[in-house]
Amino acid sequence: DAGITQSPRYKITETGRQVTLMCHQTWSHSYMFWYRQDLGHGLRLIYYSAAADITDKGEVPDGYVVSRSKTENFPLTLESATRSQTSVYFCASKSADRFHGYTFGSGTRLTVV
Amino acid sequence: KQEVTQIPAALSVPEGENLVLNCSFTDSAIYNLQWFRQDPGKGLTSLLLIQSSQREQTSGRLNASLDKSSGRSTLYIAASQPGDSATYLCAVIRAGNTGKLIFGQGTTLQVKP
Repeated sequence: DAGITQSPRYKITETGRQVTLMCHQTWSHSYMFWYRQDLGHGLRLIYYSAAADITDKGEVPDGYVVSRSKTENFPLTLESATRSQTSVYFCASKSADRFHGYTFGSGTRLTVV
Repeated sequence: KQEVTQIPAALSVPEGENLVLNCSFTDSAIYNLQWFRQDPGKGLTSLLLIQSSQREQTSGRLNASLDKSSGRSTLYIAASQPGDSATYLCAVIRAGNTGKLIFGQGTTLQVKP
């Protein structure tokens, strides 16, 4: 199906574990993004990518790693999960033109215990 | 630094009322502005995209306006329905199309039957 999909939908992990959140889009959009959403902070940008093999830090990148070897995939890895990374994570994509906006995935709710 | 503010933070109205949600941004050099809707526990759904050269966009009962010179956008909802209850988020893309969305904190709308 066309669209942007995130997996898993829910994840519980222990402090110190590595966890990877997956994001896949079927439109071949140039731009992809990872946001986290927390009460009191709203949506904050973690990392973004303008194209395959091009990534850059957003507002809150510490503790996260991304890669983009293929245009359609943009995984987010928490190298050593901490309780402060408990959040809802949203992936988004956007084409390079100005005529189309962002499209968001359904989110991954991550709990670090 | 671009900041986006949404007022009010919460709004409760009776069904059938017309209402306006406000969004202001500090830097008028924006590329696009996008309005989203978020239902509890769900992802973001795009409502309207306004390019910086446009004044307004309409979709059904929704109308979004943009005044770059004053740094404001409004989302007008006509004949509100209980199904419109959600959080509405305004976001801007900075000029130069870095691609990064900057979000407001949102307005949580409750439409009472």
